[in-house]
Amino acid sequence: GESVGLHLPTLSVQEGDNSIINCAYSNSASDYFIWYKQESGKGPQFIIDIRSNMDKRQGQRVTVLLNKTVKHLSLQIAATQPGDSAVYFCAENYSGYALNFGKGTSLLVTP
Amino acid sequence: SAVISQKPSRDICQRGTSLTIQCQVDSQVTMMFWYRQQPGQSLTLIATANQGSEATYESGFVIDKFPISRPNLTFSTLTVSNMSPEDSSIYLCSVLGTGILDEQFFGPGTRLTVL
Repeated sequence: GESVGLHLPTLSVQEGDNSIINCAYSNSASDYFIWYKQESGKGPQFIIDIRSNMDKRQGQRVTVLLNKTVKHLSLQIAATQPGDSAVYFCAENYSGYALNFGKGTSLLVTP
Repeated sequence: SAVISQKPSRDICQRGTSLTIQCQVDSQVTMMFWYRQQPGQSLTLIATANQGSEATYESGFVIDKFPISRPNLTFSTLTVSNMSPEDSSIYLCSVLGTGILDEQFFGPGTRLTVL
């Protein structure tokens, strides 16, 4: 399948600041996108998703933005906390319900 | 969301042997998937486990190496056959949620090390 990639492999932010994690996708036919959080030794945890007919979706402290024109997806985390430290993956739906995952960004929250 | 468990959580195996990983869901789900996550890497889909029929494999994965069973709507197994050190990975099962959107939820993973 076509690739889904991340701009930054690592991101370090101070506690209380906002975090923005970016993701580029190349399959223009993808119509569904998900952000996952993976802590060490655990499986990916669903954070938030968005369909291609939307450009913004908000959850608790998280917002996903979708720009279909430039095929770009971002995850914004407000007031980042130490518990937010993890690897974050974007994923796109490209065939049926199967997901194509991006490379991942490691988020480190410092006190 | 569904509660997903996997057995074993981790294992260390000798090359040439096989390991069967179990995935149990606490509710009936229509679709189950198996993914591989190599060390420090992202997730790659191995196959879709179909209930009552043969699994659907992604490019690069074959049934002889990764046989899959799905006897009912709450259970699936993935076997890693004739293992080599290159098979050392985390193997994860996932299920499609029953909500309005197509949320996919993951199990905790099985960490496999092949010596």
